[in-house]
Amino acid sequence: QQQVKQSPQSLIVQKGGISIINCAYENTAFDYFPWYQQFPGKGPALLIAIRPDVSEKKEGRFTISFNKSAKQFSLHIMDSQPGDSATYFCAASHAGNNRKLIWGLGTSLAVNP
Amino acid sequence: GAGVSQSPSNKVTEKGKDVELRCDPISGHTALYWYRQRLGQGLEFLIYFQGNSAPDKSGLPSDRFSAERTGESVSTLTIQRTQQEDSAVYLCASSPNWGVDTIYFGEGSWLTVV
Repeated sequence: QQQVKQSPQSLIVQKGGISIINCAYENTAFDYFPWYQQFPGKGPALLIAIRPDVSEKKEGRFTISFNKSAKQFSLHIMDSQPGDSATYFCAASHAGNNRKLIWGLGTSLAVNP
Repeated sequence: GAGVSQSPSNKVTEKGKDVELRCDPISGHTALYWYRQRLGQGLEFLIYFQGNSAPDKSGLPSDRFSAERTGESVSTLTIQRTQQEDSAVYLCASSPNWGVDTIYFGEGSWLTVV
């Protein structure tokens, strides 16, 4: 059973466009939702994270939108650049499972020049 | 070093051999994780150490897999009698304290079983 469902599996966007990746979860106990970015041959790195007390968090071109009632959160990459081409993972955690992150399956993003 | 260090970065082994993968977490980080990532796939949780508590081994795929950690320092992931399906990148990650959400990954150990 996939506790965090991520879509799409892959995404192709033109340079300057908006990339949108979505995640949905079932466990209402989750209270921390990060996005990690992974380049080929590297380990994932934290990109941006949100807690459910806010509906949106923005850092530069990256924005997380959070919909508590729908149990969904999404990553928006504005003005997408070729350097954004990577695999993106969403995740979720809560105190009840020792903060162990539960991961989505990842989205491979390609930004065409 | 400043980051999570893993060794070896690449390992080719024959089917049936045992392998050991090493992880040096960031100094002072009490939590340590091992993940497996097959080519083009997601992150598969293997094991989680947090301080002196009993490790969460719920992700280990079989009894051929084991991991140890000495205190809050180095961890070793051992795979016995390797199989071709064990071929993957093994990623280690650490976080500063119990309950801190952000984890920091190493660059992984790429294991190929031939």
